[in-house]
Amino acid sequence: NAGVTQTPKFRVLKTGQSMTLLCAQDMNHEYMYWYRQDPGMGLRLIHYSVGEGTTAKGEVPDGYNVSRLKKQNFLLGLESAAPSQTSVYFCASSHSRDRGPDSPLHFGNGTRLTVT
Amino acid sequence: GDSVTQMEGPVTLSEEAFLTINCTYTATGYPSLFWYVQYPGEGLQLLLKATKADDKGSNKGFEATYRKETTSFHLEKGSVQVSDSAVYFCALRRGGSYIPTFGRGTSLIVHP
Repeated sequence: NAGVTQTPKFRVLKTGQSMTLLCAQDMNHEYMYWYRQDPGMGLRLIHYSVGEGTTAKGEVPDGYNVSRLKKQNFLLGLESAAPSQTSVYFCASSHSRDRGPDSPLHFGNGTRLTVT
Repeated sequence: GDSVTQMEGPVTLSEEAFLTINCTYTATGYPSLFWYVQYPGEGLQLLLKATKADDKGSNKGFEATYRKETTSFHLEKGSVQVSDSAVYFCALRRGGSYIPTFGRGTSLIVHP
């Protein structure tokens, strides 16, 4: 059971370059999330999705776009990378609130992105 | 809005010491409460949870009790090991919200 898989694991970009981070889950979860983790800042929500074809902004959405064309996949795009986007990015998924508010989040192992 | 406050770290202990990491929350209604653990180089994983007042969650020797009267969910372990060194996150989730609320995390370092 793979759970939540993120690709790539590491990436180095130059300022202005673009890239897409892929998240895939095999647990048939309705909700998916993208977070960034920076030292001393905890987890900050970038975007989230409550179902196929729907996305919404989180706490820090600027500079990022997302898409959820298939239920199992949630893509995070950086159109023009900036050094401030150097971070560790985590994808997470969970069952919907209809299946119980005690449904925990399942996290991937992260993508470590450096923008120079 | 909802919020979770954790004690700042790092918490540094010797092996076999008693551990407490404090967590208090603010939320409307009756949220579910969680502790997640993040080992170096990995994502967060669920450690334990509690869904109503006075429930006790437990796993791997860790325990936390949902205290509605003090809005707290403190994490405890009687005897820590070096392998418990990690970052611990307290979180809550309300039934009416899509988005869970996380604390900032507390780093635990256990020395042999």
